[in-house]
Amino acid sequence: DADVTQTPRNRITKTGKRIMLECSQTKGHDRMYWYRQDPGLGLRLIYYSFDVKDINKGEISDGYSVSRQAQAKFSLSLESAIPNQTALYFCATGREAPYNEQFFGPGTRLTVL
Amino acid sequence: RKEVEQDPGPFNVPEGATVAFNCTYSNSASQSFFWYRQDCRKEPKLLMSVYSSGNEDGRFTAQLNRASQYISLLIRDSKLSDSATYLCVVPETTGTASKLTFGTGTRLQVTL
Repeated sequence: DADVTQTPRNRITKTGKRIMLECSQTKGHDRMYWYRQDPGLGLRLIYYSFDVKDINKGEISDGYSVSRQAQAKFSLSLESAIPNQTALYFCATGREAPYNEQFFGPGTRLTVL
Repeated sequence: RKEVEQDPGPFNVPEGATVAFNCTYSNSASQSFFWYRQDCRKEPKLLMSVYSSGNEDGRFTAQLNRASQYISLLIRDSKLSDSATYLCVVPETTGTASKLTFGTGTRLQVTL
């Protein structure tokens, strides 16, 4: 079984709709992250959480919100989706310093029409 | 200087060739570094971690030059299955907090 899972894997939605992407992990890591990837831009950090009570904005948090329901679960919401949020979204878990490695879920391909 | 900079490629090499990628970074305080491999439309997967001057794993060698702030990845005896995008990754650490900064990747295409 995969250590980091994401649902849904693909989603097509319309402008203005609210959508939630979910992430679960069995790696036992406290740290979890949400990224988006766009062609030519690489991975950009949206939000991150170092434990259940800790939520931090990344470099592109506008238009997104998150919820850390448990150590193993971290959800990303788009309150009112817009077409430029069409992207590939990855959830990741991470080891603490000094190691810092992160481990990614399979991704959610989101299309906003 | 960009935080993490890579040559986007593509690097087109024949099977069996040796190929090297370089990556430069701007945060001189970074202590550990990573190379990730990403196949098209798939998630990035950790290939190698570099904590000191370098690391070797089979056909793959990563080297770190702190003075010049660059990391390299050498792939020997390239296989068709090595075709992918290789991401250079540098942590940004403040106290116990850590985030990763990803390069945009170098694309490798290995051909027959």
